Amino acid sequence: ILNVEQSPQSLHVQEGDSTNFTCSFPSSNFYALHWYRWETAKSPEALFVMTLNGDEKKKGRISATLNTKEGYSYLYIKGSQPEDSATYLCAFDYGGATNKLIFGTGTLLAVQP
Amino acid sequence: ETGVTQTPRHLVMGMTNKKSLKCEQHLGHNAMYWYKQSAKKPLELMFVYSLEERVENNSVPSRFSPECPNSSHLFLHLHTLQPEDSALYLCASSQDFDGLVNEQFFGPGTRLTVL
Repeated sequence: ILNVEQSPQSLHVQEGDSTNFTCSFPSSNFYALHWYRWETAKSPEALFVMTLNGDEKKKGRISATLNTKEGYSYLYIKGSQPEDSATYLCAFDYGGATNKLIFGTGTLLAVQP
Repeated sequence: ETGVTQTPRHLVMGMTNKKSLKCEQHLGHNAMYWYKQSAKKPLELMFVYSLEERVENNSVPSRFSPECPNSSHLFLHLHTLQPEDSALYLCASSQDFDGLVNEQFFGPGTRLTVL
């Protein structure tokens, strides 16, 4: 059974704090790792798709790293803002014919002004 | 906006009702998906359609019946559901390219409550 773990489950930070979360996934049969940002009552929005070991991607204040050999990815948010409040999901993609994604339960981030 | 819409956004139904969830994508994609999210659980894949053919059925009970009449529309027909089927149902679409990573685009979901 493929398992994707995210930690912490939830996080409360003050505006301006920097923070990071972890996604752990199987280190075998790796194809890609997806990060999504999901605000309440909205659609999950794709942040990054990461495929290469050692990859680092950045979008504004948010960045992510990937270690496929040990099976983890970190998501960093620098200088958190209240609008960063959302659930951050990671999904393990092992390729295959039907593009199945195995999701973690997410990290719920609350940024207080 | 992700280009994937879902209706209705909220649905309350009794166990003997029949209802349908609708998903439409405006992205020109050729693959569509139904996911279920129950409280405190990760998104679970239910069905995958590629080029309007069902290619994945993740051991979903027959009281859930998907339909994909064309590449832009996906339905989930519901009948004789149980209270434990109450959940958020999300639709997604992607462009299915062999050998390339396919990014899935999600709708906002339908919050279903079964009484």
